[in-house]
Amino acid sequence: AQSVAQPEDQVNVAEGNPLTVKCTYSVSGNPYLFWYVQYPNRGLQFLLKYITGDNLVKGSYGFEAEFNKSQTSFHLKKPSALVSDSALYFCAVRAYSGGYQKVTFGIGTKLQVIP
Amino acid sequence: DTGVSQDPRHKITKRGQNVTFRCDPISEHNRLYWYRQTLGQGPEFLTYFQNEAQLEKSRLLSDRFSAERPKGSFSTLEIQRTEQGDSAMYLCASSFEPGEAFFGQGTRLTVV
Repeated sequence: AQSVAQPEDQVNVAEGNPLTVKCTYSVSGNPYLFWYVQYPNRGLQFLLKYITGDNLVKGSYGFEAEFNKSQTSFHLKKPSALVSDSALYFCAVRAYSGGYQKVTFGIGTKLQVIP
Repeated sequence: DTGVSQDPRHKITKRGQNVTFRCDPISEHNRLYWYRQTLGQGPEFLTYFQNEAQLEKSRLLSDRFSAERPKGSFSTLEIQRTEQGDSAMYLCASSFEPGEAFFGQGTRLTVV
């Protein structure tokens, strides 16, 4: 069975500092990996994805994520955090399960950027 | 607005009543997903359609839950004989490419 782990319930970072939100996964075969962001009272928004190719992928709002196959990780990063980045971040993995593509989400990490 | 829309946004119902939610995906998307999200949790997969075919259904979806996508466009999710444990946010998402899904704002169900 595939799974996603986001080990931190909350990440606090000062505005202007780099941020990292951690994600590890477990799947059979090659994973497709995604990050989504959820602002209060709003739907989930797609940030970025890794399918194949370069291990560092760039996404919306200055975010990027690094795929590390040996560590089965896909950590979300941003060089300089903004207060407006404060939100709930979800990591997701897509892989074949039972013959069909299935997407599994982590439980989310709350990012708090402190002015 | 050409995004995924869900109706209603909020629903309060008495235990034992039936409820139906509607999702209108982005028009060119052939894949449609239903998820359930409770406080402090990530979205939990419920079911998945490719065009009008329901290809996968989670074990979370008991016999009281049914979903349809009759013409491969909009979809409905019905919950019969609602229970308090059904209270959650029900999310619909659509995609053209598997996994890069666009989400609606959800329907918040409260069962009293």
